[in-house]
Amino acid sequence: GQQLNQSPQSMFIQEGEDVSMNCTSSSIFNTWLWYKQDPGEGPVLLIALYKAGELTSNGRLTAQFGITRKDSFLNISASIPSDVGIYFCAGPPYSGGSNYKLTFGKGTLLTVNP
Amino acid sequence: NAGVMQNPRHLVRRRGQEARLRCSPMKGHSHVYWYRQLPEEGLKFMVYLQKENIIDESGMPKERFSAEFPKEGPSILRIQQVVRGDSAAYFCASSHKYRRAGRYNEQFFGPGTRLTVL
Repeated sequence: GQQLNQSPQSMFIQEGEDVSMNCTSSSIFNTWLWYKQDPGEGPVLLIALYKAGELTSNGRLTAQFGITRKDSFLNISASIPSDVGIYFCAGPPYSGGSNYKLTFGKGTLLTVNP
Repeated sequence: NAGVMQNPRHLVRRRGQEARLRCSPMKGHSHVYWYRQLPEEGLKFMVYLQKENIIDESGMPKERFSAEFPKEGPSILRIQQVVRGDSAAYFCASSHKYRRAGRYNEQFFGPGTRLTVL
């Protein structure tokens, strides 16, 4: 099956620092999604990317859809304590029909030290 | 303006018992998806349902697991004769009807049900 390799597995940073995490796949994705999951809650969509090369921002978050369609990255600028959580990349792999079947990475655990 | 609702939030069962997990989609959504999350793992797709129809159950184990989304009422994920390996967080998501072929339709996730099998 499809696999997404997410790195790093965890990050421990100081408040105010910038953060970068990425996701790679062995196969093509036609959509890249970045979710955040708080403890005991479900994932919440942060950014959706639909075209190769697309760069999209949502406040302090910026994400890019890699040109090869096999990778994506997420940057968080000027981190704050409420950024703490697990960040997942996800997407429906290119399959021509099942664009509802999301594959998730294993997540990046972000800890922000005030 | 309720989002996706799941209950119970926590469920404890002994081996061999049945677990029933319920999901009420967001208002106006007619598509429901179930995912399973093992500890320190990402979510894995199990099944996709529309009202009274199972569209894709390719991610659901063939035995002991079943799902339904009746015309009235919530979607139900049912696990019969639970085993310890079924312990996980089960998330439900819902979306609008797909309007654009080839375009992802945002799935909104519920808070999950954490199943513990003793």
